[in-house]
Amino acid sequence: QQPVQSPQAVILREGEDAVINCSSSKALYSVHWYRQKHGEAPVFLMILLKGGEQKGHEKISASFNEKKQQSSLYLTASQLSYSGTYFCGVPPRGTSYGKLTFGQGTILTVHP
Amino acid sequence: DAGVTQSPTHLIKTRGQHVTLRCSPISGHKSVSWYQQVLGQGPQFIFQYYEKEERGRGNFPDRFSARQFPNYSSELNVNALLLGDSALYLCASSSEAFGVQPQHFGDGTRLSIL
Repeated sequence: QQPVQSPQAVILREGEDAVINCSSSKALYSVHWYRQKHGEAPVFLMILLKGGEQKGHEKISASFNEKKQQSSLYLTASQLSYSGTYFCGVPPRGTSYGKLTFGQGTILTVHP
Repeated sequence: DAGVTQSPTHLIKTRGQHVTLRCSPISGHKSVSWYQQVLGQGPQFIFQYYEKEERGRGNFPDRFSARQFPNYSSELNVNALLLGDSALYLCASSSEAFGVQPQHFGDGTRLSIL
C-alpha cells in the first residue's frame, strides 16, 4: 500500500523551516527519502532504519516513529536549492530495497 | 564516475507499437530496478533484476518485460502500447539487491504515446 505524505505542498521563504511527514498503514521497517527537481532524476537523501539508525549524506534530519508508523523529514533554514518534490519510499518487509513503494510526493517551493 | 545512464531520453510512439528502453547502471552496481512515473505522482515499481535474474515484479501487465545482461545493463520492453503508458520511465541501480543500499536514479526516458 502506498504511504501517505503530508502536506501536499509547502511554500517557504529562504531561512524558514519545514516538516514533511510520511505515514503508512502497514508496519514500517525502513523509510527512504528522495528529492526530485523538475525534469531531473530523484536524488537519494536518507534511509531511516527501524531502531533509529540513519544513513544519508546530506545535512538534513529525519525521524522514524515505529509506533506511529510514520517518518518526518526536517528541513531547517531552507535554501533555494531545497525546492523540489520530496518522496518517501518504503520497501516490502524483509526484502530488497530495490522495490520501493513511493508516496505521492510533497512539493516544496522556496522563495528568496 | 558516470551515473546511471538511460536511453533514449525522449520517445514518441503510437498505440499498438512496442518500445525498448535501455539502462546502464553505475559501474560496479549489480541491481537494476525500473519504475514508471506518471506526471504528478511518485515512481511506481515495475521490475527489479539482480545478477540477471528477476527479483521482483510490480503490478504491471504482461505487456511489460525486462532483462539484465552479463554487464548488468538492462532493457525494459513494453508491447502493444496504450495511451496510459505515457510516462517517465526511471531506472535505478544499487550495488547489491539486499542490505541498506540507496538507489541511484537515471534521468529517465520520457515516453509519449499518440
